[in-house]
Amino acid sequence: DAEITQSPRHKITETGRQVTLACHQTWNHNNMFWYRQDLGHGLRLIHYSYGVHDTNKGEVSDGYSVSRSNTEDLPLTLESAASSQTSVYFCASSEFSTGPENSGANVLTFGAGSRLTVL
Amino acid sequence: AQKVTQAQTEISVVEKEDVTLDCVYETRDTTYYLFWYKQPPSGELVFLIRRNSFDEQNEISGRYSWNFQKSTSSFNFTITASQVVDSAVYFCALSTGANNLFFGTGTRLTVIP
Repeated sequence: DAEITQSPRHKITETGRQVTLACHQTWNHNNMFWYRQDLGHGLRLIHYSYGVHDTNKGEVSDGYSVSRSNTEDLPLTLESAASSQTSVYFCASSEFSTGPENSGANVLTFGAGSRLTVL
Repeated sequence: AQKVTQAQTEISVVEKEDVTLDCVYETRDTTYYLFWYKQPPSGELVFLIRRNSFDEQNEISGRYSWNFQKSTSSFNFTITASQVVDSAVYFCALSTGANNLFFGTGTRLTVIP
């Protein structure tokens, strides 16, 4: 069965360290997304990608970067982790839509989440 | 700008009671999509329903029903005869013209046995 896998599921790191959260999907979806979930904020979009070599900034992209070298993977990197980046991170994917009538219609499939603690 | 408001932060009901989760959205787009996701205690996000802005028909799926009213920009979710397994955080979300979602802050539902 197709799936979307995040690793690690839990990570504790120190302020200033570089951290990479992995996301791997076998749905063959073109679109991939990273969200963070914080109490009182719901889920907020960090970065997203519509295909290989495409990346875009979301609502809360400062301090994060992504790269898309293949269809299956969208790793999220925190260049210098800060305590404000303690959160639960969700990766998601969806099929590509063409045409305005379909744009935004796709259902996102989410990974299980990665809980990051920055001390 | 897009915005989703879920004013109910937490709701507690006794098992078998009906409960309605409110969702109010804001957008200037005429074409948009509304979603509900469930996040059980295990933490994953589970898709429940998607609605487009041109279809205001209410939908029922078992004990779940959704009331979409463009006149009040609301997309409310009702659980009939609630069960303990319904305990979760429920998110309403809005998508317009791009392949991403704007989420509300969620409503935590606790069903007491």
